[in-house]
Amino acid sequence: DIQMTQSPSSLSASVGDRVTITCRASQSIRTYLNWYQQKPGKAPKLLIYAASSLQSGVPSRFSGSGSGTDFALTINTLQPEDFATYHCQQSYSMPWTFGQGTKVEIK
Amino acid sequence: QITLKESGPTVVKPTQTLTLTCTFSGFSLSTSGMGVGWIRQPPGKALEWLAVIYWDDDQRYGPFLKTRLTITKDTSKNEVVLTMTNMAPVDTATYYCVHTLFTMNRFDSWGQGTLVTVSS
Repeated sequence: DIQMTQSPSSLSASVGDRVTITCRASQSIRTYLNWYQQKPGKAPKLLIYAASSLQSGVPSRFSGSGSGTDFALTINTLQPEDFATYHCQQSYSMPWTFGQGTKVEIK
Repeated sequence: QITLKESGPTVVKPTQTLTLTCTFSGFSLSTSGMGVGWIRQPPGKALEWLAVIYWDDDQRYGPFLKTRLTITKDTSKNEVVLTMTNMAPVDTATYYCVHTLFTMNRFDSWGQGTLVTVSS
């Protein structure tokens, strides 16, 4: 199975900050990497697919980058509604696996 | 617009079998490429993909729970059913039903989730 490791596990940031979360795969997954946002008590929501493609309806302040084993999710100009937990997921091979999540908290 | 909703028991006893139903709208599981899967999340922990079923009845399972899981579909009812045998307290989690497309392997629509607690 492909292991996905996110860092950091949590971070504190202020409204207006630029935030970057990283995700590392245990082997190359090319660009088969998706990002989800999850708010407390809610289901995850797809933000980014294929490493850098923005899902329809997602604000452009979200962006994704990377290929191979190293990926990043960047949130430019953090908004109050962006405080949430973010998960990466590899879609390269079954079983599809997720990172452990990164919680973005208000500083 | 795709919607999915999970239903089933909120509490099950150890060793019992869990049966969850996903009722969906906005697509047909008889359409080429369509898939419905299940993902769970224990409280405070990571997401875990469990199973998926596709329009052609292809069924795939995560390796760790493969022997305990069965996923089926009823295209006429727009329903997918997941059964998990021999439930244990470690299976306590929120179970989500998700929509996916064959070869895309991303989960673009999610149900609200249902919390299942395993306790005697």
